[in-house]
Amino acid sequence: AQSVTQLGSHVSVSEGALVLLRCNYSSSVPPYLFWYVQYPNQGLQLLLKYTSAATLVKGINGFEAEFKKSETSFHLTKPSAHMSDAAEYFCALDSWGKLQFGAGTQVVVTP
Amino acid sequence: DTGVSQDPRHKITKRGQNVTFRCDPISEHNRLYWYRQTLGQGPEFLTYFQNEAQLEKSRLLSDRFSAERPKGSFSTLEIQRTEQGDSAMYLCASSTGTDSYEQYFGPGTRLTVT
Repeated sequence: AQSVTQLGSHVSVSEGALVLLRCNYSSSVPPYLFWYVQYPNQGLQLLLKYTSAATLVKGINGFEAEFKKSETSFHLTKPSAHMSDAAEYFCALDSWGKLQFGAGTQVVVTP
Repeated sequence: DTGVSQDPRHKITKRGQNVTFRCDPISEHNRLYWYRQTLGQGPEFLTYFQNEAQLEKSRLLSDRFSAERPKGSFSTLEIQRTEQGDSAMYLCASSTGTDSYEQYFGPGTRLTVT
């Protein structure tokens, strides 16, 4: 069965500190994985995607994620948090053409 | 470059009424998806179209829900006899169907059933 698990529903980081959001997946086929960001009352914006090419994927706004098959993980990081990074982040797995999402991680950035 | 658009952005309706939402995908995208997102949860797949053909429907999509995509362009999602449990954000996304299945989302329609 295909599934996505995001560890931690809320993360609080200080401005300038490392942002680390955890995502683990289960898939019976080589996965396509995505990270999306959602600001309040808005749709989802794609941050980055893994499609079986390079295991370290760089995205927009300084975010990157590393695909680790042995750990079935696709964690999202950003070296230095900015106030504008406060949002909800979703990890998603392509499941035969449709996306299966994790429950999301709400990021709060404190000054 | 126009993205995915949805109309209306907000809808408040009374229980038992019918509502219809519209989604206009990115023009060259032949796949169109509908998702539902409830508070504090990730989006859940409802249905998707390849051109005008509805290829898959989730078990979440009860008989009160119907979606169409006439002529393979815009799509509508209708909910008949709305219930309070239908209150959610309804998201539309589109993709080319290739390019690693990357999906582009609209701003969503927030439905409140009173």
